[in-house]
Amino acid sequence: AQSVSQHNHHVILSEAASLELGCNYSYGGTVNLFWYVQYPGQHLQLLLKYFSGDPLVKGIKGFEAEFIKSKFSFNLRKPSVQWSDTAEYFCAGLSGAGSYQLTFGKGTKLSVIP
Amino acid sequence: AAGVIQSPRHLIKEKRETATLKCYPIPRHDTVYWYQQGPGQDPQFLISFYEKMQSDKGSIPDRFSAQQFSDYHSELNMSSLELGDSALYFCASSFGNSPLHFGNGTRLTVT
Repeated sequence: AQSVSQHNHHVILSEAASLELGCNYSYGGTVNLFWYVQYPGQHLQLLLKYFSGDPLVKGIKGFEAEFIKSKFSFNLRKPSVQWSDTAEYFCAGLSGAGSYQLTFGKGTKLSVIP
Repeated sequence: AAGVIQSPRHLIKEKRETATLKCYPIPRHDTVYWYQQGPGQDPQFLISFYEKMQSDKGSIPDRFSAQQFSDYHSELNMSSLELGDSALYFCASSFGNSPLHFGNGTRLTVT
């Protein structure tokens, strides 16, 4: 069965610290991967996506993610976090093999301390 | 553990037809959200319900309507379908301020 795992439930960082949120997926065949963010009191936004091509994907607000096929990973990174990055982050995968099943991870809450 | 269930998984309709998408939240979750995501696009918030009442409305076309029933499941009704309605529709549920839990989505293809 397709699955997406986010191993960090809650991450607490100080401002200017570097961030890496883990995401692992188990899919067969073609997969599209996404990172979403939900800021407090706001609706879901797409941070970045990977469909094919360059495995290093750059998104909005200085975020990036690297698709490592051999590790089945799509970790989200940011070199220096800000207080405004405090939010819930979700990794998701979409199977492109015809089933069009979208699977979300359970989310990681990021708290950035000023 | 029970998850958010969406049905159908994939739906193919012709222009001007009607479609109904269903979302069954996690038991005891009181809030349901609907999102639409076109290919390569940001998810667009459509509408949400809290305790069976509409709580927030986003970019939902007038051709669409939704409701939450007494058992907390929600249905998104889409009429006069257009080619541009082809997208992935996913719903999420939550309880209070708990994190969202997502369904697997319904892929709607309008031909």
